[in-house]
Amino acid sequence: RKEVEQDPGPFNVPEGATVAFNCTYSNSASQSFFWYRQDCRKEPKLLMSVYSSGNEDGRFTAQLNRASQYISLLIRDSKLSDSATYLCVPSGGGYQKVTFGTGTKLQVIP
Amino acid sequence: DTEVTQTPKHLVMGMTNKKSLKCEQHMGHRAMYWYKQKAKKPPELMFVYSYEKLSINESVPSRFSPECPNSSLLNLHLHALQPEDSALYLCASSQLTGVSGNTIYFGEGSWLTVV
Repeated sequence: RKEVEQDPGPFNVPEGATVAFNCTYSNSASQSFFWYRQDCRKEPKLLMSVYSSGNEDGRFTAQLNRASQYISLLIRDSKLSDSATYLCVPSGGGYQKVTFGTGTKLQVIP
Repeated sequence: DTEVTQTPKHLVMGMTNKKSLKCEQHMGHRAMYWYKQKAKKPPELMFVYSYEKLSINESVPSRFSPECPNSSLLNLHLHALQPEDSALYLCASSQLTGVSGNTIYFGEGSWLTVV
């Protein structure tokens, strides 16, 4: 099983739609979880951090299921500007090796 | 805007050249990272410095040589690279302590082309 698995997509959704991505991880010792977004030819930028069961920030909700070892990202009322690749990152803490998921590409269409 | 600054933004070098990528952060972070990213792939960890000491080397070829002169600076020295080393090189940092200690912040990256 890969350390981090994500559906590469692309997810093509209309503006205003709700879309959810899942990410599964194999290291049960992972303590912190992050979602990054990466625009084409740009650096990854932190979207959300998750330290307990979940986190919500405006239209974005992240939920963590430690028993099943997956983390999800829900985007409500999708905007054209949400089009990007979303990278899932479980972390064991400190400077330990951090493995990025392959990313899920989202394309919001008018 | 990112608080991790990388220079140069673009670099074209020949296979016999020696060049360096530079990275600077002023957030007081005690861990700094080099990642390599190829097109349509996620960032791939190369090196980690923790408290200015090399903590992780992901079996990177010796033609890549990292250096951490102080807690704010991180360099990547390049020598005798191959065309397949062309990629986006991302520098990043993290605090190491506190609740958000392992949150990684990236610079804008250096686009490297080896000809």
